[in-house]
Amino acid sequence: RKEVEQDPGPFNVPEGATVAFNCTYSNSASQSFFWYRQDCRKEPKLLMSVYSSGNEDGRFTAQLNRASQYISLLIRDSKLSDSATYLCVVIDTGRRALTFGSGTRLQVQP
Amino acid sequence: EAEVAQSPRYKITEKSQAVAFWCDPISGHATLYWYRQILGQGPELLVQFQDESVVDDSQLPKDRFSAERLKGVDSTLKIQPAELGDSAMYLCASSLSGGRETQYFGPGTRLLVL
Repeated sequence: RKEVEQDPGPFNVPEGATVAFNCTYSNSASQSFFWYRQDCRKEPKLLMSVYSSGNEDGRFTAQLNRASQYISLLIRDSKLSDSATYLCVVIDTGRRALTFGSGTRLQVQP
Repeated sequence: EAEVAQSPRYKITEKSQAVAFWCDPISGHATLYWYRQILGQGPELLVQFQDESVVDDSQLPKDRFSAERLKGVDSTLKIQPAELGDSAMYLCASSLSGGRETQYFGPGTRLLVL
């Protein structure tokens, strides 16, 4: 079983739609959580950290459920420029390196 | 804005040949990471340096891969001999001190082994 699991998609949504991605992690000792965005053939870039209380950054909302060991990302009012792969990332206790999921591909259509 | 530099950006080689990738982290960043990303998957850690010391190379295939960061600044990742399954994107990242702060990724080196 992978440490971090995501639905690969693709999620095809129209502009303006709301879309949500979930991610589950297997290590209950995981302590830090992030969403990264990766455009085709480019490097991953940090989108946002995920906090226990949930957090919002503009059109993006991240939630963490420690009891169920899942993380979510909600994108409201989707833009064409949101088309990318969204990577769920955790850091386990004692490690510093990032553990990535395989990513969920989003395609926003006009 | 400071960036992580990597070279070459693309590399095509034949199997059994040796290849080397170079990374220059953001100035002042003590922690440097090498990740490998196979198409359709997320990046996976190969090796992590704190200054010039290796702190995690548990996932590095040591029979063919080697990495060094001699002066604690830039780093080289080598594969010898390359195999077909090594075709992937090799990403370098750096962070200030290796805590929970943001890791910044370079543009990567895309390797194709024929």
